[in-house]
Amino acid sequence: EAGVVQSPRYKIIEKKQPVAFWCNPISGHNTLYWYLQNLGQGPELLIRYENEEAVDDSQLPKDRFSAERLKGVDSTLKIQPAELGDSAVYLCASSEGREETQYFGPGTRLLVL
Amino acid sequence: AQTVTQSQPEMSVQEAETVTLSCTYDTSESNYYLFWYKQPPSRQMILVIRQEAYKQQNATENRFSVNFQKAAKSFSLKISDSQLGDTAMYFCAFAAGAQKLVFGQGTRLTINP
Repeated sequence: EAGVVQSPRYKIIEKKQPVAFWCNPISGHNTLYWYLQNLGQGPELLIRYENEEAVDDSQLPKDRFSAERLKGVDSTLKIQPAELGDSAVYLCASSEGREETQYFGPGTRLLVL
Repeated sequence: AQTVTQSQPEMSVQEAETVTLSCTYDTSESNYYLFWYKQPPSRQMILVIRQEAYKQQNATENRFSVNFQKAAKSFSLKISDSQLGDTAMYFCAFAAGAQKLVFGQGTRLTINP
């Protein structure tokens, strides 16, 4: 069974540029999560989807970050414009249901210059 | 709000030794789940072990076992017969029902040959 797929794996951009990350969850997993992981720290939730609905986006900086999960399968996280402080690893995870174990993708490492 | 504390930023042991990683948490919830995740260098987060709070029996997965002390809000991970491939960051995480995973700061474990 394929795991959570994320692309790109690495991205280098200049500040003020837009960037987008893509995630495809494990087949059949209805719940999808985007996490931010700063260097040397644990991940922090940005947004959680139940199917197509964003049910927890309280930690998402909505002035520059947006996310979508059309059709309740894959998801895209966007930053526009990117700032230096956005340099981090962006992790996607999925679970069968909201109380089930979360499985993580390999992450996208973003460097903003 | 739930918090997770890992008091050991770094640990180092010799191959084949046993090592215990500490984790404490704070919550007012009665029903919750605890996890240990492993994140090897530049690789993805992998679930090591999961414990349901309502279960008194400590979870085990091959060489990995936990010591779950609910009253003390303690959830330590024991790795027996450690191997070089166990070298990684280890994160303790907490989830109450449908709420987000809350991670600790991580413990960097190095297994020396």
